[in-house]
Amino acid sequence: EAQVTQNPRYLITVTGKKLTVTCSQNMNHEYMSWYRQDPGLGLRQIYYSMNVEVTDKGDVPEGYKVSRKEKRNFPLILESPSPNQTSLYFCASSYRGRGTEAFFGQGTRLTVV
Amino acid sequence: RKEVEQDPGPFNVPEGATVAFNCTYSNSASQSFFWYRQDCRKEPKLLMSVYSSGNEDGRFTAQLNRASQYISLLIRDSKLSDSATYLCVVNMGYGNKLVFGAGTILRVKS
Repeated sequence: EAQVTQNPRYLITVTGKKLTVTCSQNMNHEYMSWYRQDPGLGLRQIYYSMNVEVTDKGDVPEGYKVSRKEKRNFPLILESPSPNQTSLYFCASSYRGRGTEAFFGQGTRLTVV
Repeated sequence: RKEVEQDPGPFNVPEGATVAFNCTYSNSASQSFFWYRQDCRKEPKLLMSVYSSGNEDGRFTAQLNRASQYISLLIRDSKLSDSATYLCVVNMGYGNKLVFGAGTILRVKS
């Protein structure tokens, strides 16, 4: 089954404790990205990757890191989480090209206390 | 000004009603347009792409007006299962980057 898998689905952590949210897709998509969703703001892009070893900042990259060592995986790293990073996070993947459908993971609900 | 703007709603409609959602985008160079559906904080899923000539998929009709930078979604004969948040999504022309509106909430009631 074609899918994007995120883990964990739910996470409560404390300020400053490094964490990683994993994302894996099995559709051989070149393009992957991370979004956060906050009430009234919609989905905002954090980072994206056009292909292996190619990553770039989105609209809200502060406090986040990513890597793309393999085509299928695109982890999101929070080196020192803060309460303002409490949000719902989605990973997405798609083929390269403007009109292509984006497939989303099920989301990770992160709470930083 | 937001890059993609939608009326947040909620739109509360009875079953069988016709409801229309509107969306405006700021970048005239935008290339591709979509409507995604999101159920109760689950992941967004593609509902339909929007083409310049307008397109229809069953009860759903999408239209694009490039001159006015305006996209619409019409839902006919609303079902309870149509209750969701509808996201207007625009590819601004920078590779694959998608820009999302904040979403319009639809509640269909029996």
